[in-house]
Amino acid sequence: GAGVSQSPSNKVTEKGKDVELRCDPISGHTALYWYRQSLGQGLEFLIYFQGNSAPDKSGLPSDRFSAERTGGSVSTLTIQRTQQEDSAVYLCASSFRSTLGYNEQFFGPGTRLTVL
Amino acid sequence: AQSVSQHNHHVILSEAASLELGCNYSYGGTVNLFWYVQYPGQHLQLLLKYFSGDPLVKGIKGFEAEFIKSKFSFNLRKPSVQWSDTAEYFCAVNDLSGGSNYKLTFGKGTLLTVNP
Repeated sequence: GAGVSQSPSNKVTEKGKDVELRCDPISGHTALYWYRQSLGQGLEFLIYFQGNSAPDKSGLPSDRFSAERTGGSVSTLTIQRTQQEDSAVYLCASSFRSTLGYNEQFFGPGTRLTVL
Repeated sequence: AQSVSQHNHHVILSEAASLELGCNYSYGGTVNLFWYVQYPGQHLQLLLKYFSGDPLVKGIKGFEAEFIKSKFSFNLRKPSVQWSDTAEYFCAVNDLSGGSNYKLTFGKGTLLTVNP
């Protein structure tokens, strides 16, 4: 596609429910990233995929968070037993991956998650 | 911990005023530097980037930034702002010297309001 797409754009859920957020990266981009944007906190790195593998999951805030990527393309971020502090905008980005690490990242519109 | 600091949380200017937004980082090694912009209701877009070479980088919409290695700074400038520049601006750093050279670390953002 023309850009990174994410769905849903908005998600309201009740505390304790599970949610799945989806990201479609730019075609041909081998690297995919998830970030979280909380009010006044900037962007917080969550996880990085190179192809289908996730060499860095260090940013996931707890074991309630998981992510997978299939076919080197679509990725889903799953949050189990959601808590109110999970409320944020979840951003996905993708990039080419070069050995020099020059990775200009292209961002999607985000999913705004509200946990009641 | 390594970090990116944006000193101004909210800047308010009148049209035609000059702009300078500060960004400092704490990394000691080789870095790539970025400024992203988020217009109201839109997703993050790349404004400009520095990888190497001329430390004065020109981006879209008349923006420029200067990398000063000795000051660990990458300040964003525009000589004359317009109402349409109202947005949130994020500085981001990609540390090439460590094992996480794919990860962008963001500042907390500066909200720019331009009054007509």
